[in-house]
Amino acid sequence: DQQVKQNSPSLSVQEGRISILNCDYTNSMFDYFLWYKKYPAEGPTFLISISSIKDKNEDGRFTVFLNKSAKHLSLHIVPSQPGDSAVYFCAATTLYGNEKLTFGTGTRLTIIP
Amino acid sequence: DAGVTQSPTHLIKTRGQQVTLRCSPISGHKSVSWYQQVLGQGPQFIFQYYEKEERGRGNFPDRFSARQFPNYSSELNVNALLLGDSALYLCASSLGGEAYGYTFGSGTRLTVV
Repeated sequence: DQQVKQNSPSLSVQEGRISILNCDYTNSMFDYFLWYKKYPAEGPTFLISISSIKDKNEDGRFTVFLNKSAKHLSLHIVPSQPGDSAVYFCAATTLYGNEKLTFGTGTRLTIIP
Repeated sequence: DAGVTQSPTHLIKTRGQQVTLRCSPISGHKSVSWYQQVLGQGPQFIFQYYEKEERGRGNFPDRFSARQFPNYSSELNVNALLLGDSALYLCASSLGGEAYGYTFGSGTRLTVV
């Protein structure tokens, strides 16, 4: 049972344009969501997060949007840069009483110069 | 500052053998978690330890075990290795066990032949 889904295995975007990565979840108990970026031969690196009490969180070029009714979140990267090329994982957890992250399968983002 | 360190970085084992992976958390972090990432999938939760006590266990067989030492470092043991155990094993540490506070190591790439 895949509770967190990233339905696009890969995405290619022109440098300078907007990258939009999508994530859906099924477990309504999740109340905290995170995006991680992963380069080959490295561990996942935290990028940005959002609590279920918000619908948007921004950090520089990165914005995460949460639509609770649709159980959907998205990561927007503007403008996209070559260094953004990596695998992006969406993850979900509960703020209290949970010791684990549930990850999606990842989206490989390629920024085309 | 040293991040989460894992050893070894790579190893190759034969089916039926046993393996021990090691993790040193960030200084001051009292919780360590282990994740398995199979190629093409997102990381899957195996264990969490906090103050040397097991706090959570994922859906993995009893061949997988772990422990945490007084200095908060941790070992993951896998017995009777199967080909399907080939994966990247990630260790993450956090201050108090909160999943949203994880910092991941670079992982140990285990290949079972």
